[in-house]
Amino acid sequence: KNQVEQSPQSLIILEGKNCTLQCNYTVSPFSNLRWYKQDTGRGPVSLTIMTFSENTKSNGRYTATLDADTKQSSLHITASQLSDSASYICVVSATKTGGFKTIFGAGTRLFVKA
Amino acid sequence: NAGVTQTPKFQVLKTGQSMTLQCAQDMNHEYMSWYRQDPGMGLRLIHYSVGAGITDQGEVPNGYNVSRSTTEDFPLRLLSAAPSQTSVYFCASSSTTGIYGYTFGSGTRLTVV
Repeated sequence: KNQVEQSPQSLIILEGKNCTLQCNYTVSPFSNLRWYKQDTGRGPVSLTIMTFSENTKSNGRYTATLDADTKQSSLHITASQLSDSASYICVVSATKTGGFKTIFGAGTRLFVKA
Repeated sequence: NAGVTQTPKFQVLKTGQSMTLQCAQDMNHEYMSWYRQDPGMGLRLIHYSVGAGITDQGEVPNGYNVSRSTTEDFPLRLLSAAPSQTSVYFCASSSTTGIYGYTFGSGTRLTVV
């Protein structure tokens, strides 16, 4: 069964600290993995996208890694800011007959405190 | 600003009422889709469309109808609302099948009492 599991469910950190969010998936055949940021009351916004051949991708203070062998990804946030408080969603796409299937993780809720 | 526009932002319905959630995009995207987001769960696909006149079911289509008469608009209809349809609904669009990412609307929070 295609699944995307994220950990932790929620996380509280102090402003300026770093943190790492985890994503494990059992989706196959793998096509790509994306990380989205979702602010409260808003729709998700794409941060990074990685295909099978990529193992790291950066977007400012956000760095995503991918290990396709172990089917794990992480999102590292450097020097956190109050505006990083949001949910972070891992999304994995798999190929299927006639197109693609996209599976969303439940997200990690990050709280950054001053 | 270009993007995906959803209306309304909030809605309360009584059980059995019907309503339409509106979604419009001005990016000339062929692919549009509707998701629902429930606490502790990932977004789940309700219906999607790969172009005007073409729609298909996602993983949770029961209780919902869609149509795609133009490239820009993709409304979602609840024919007879049930409390189980209380959720946050997101419309998304993409220039392809969504394989490289979506642009999401800001969501509609629906409560069915």
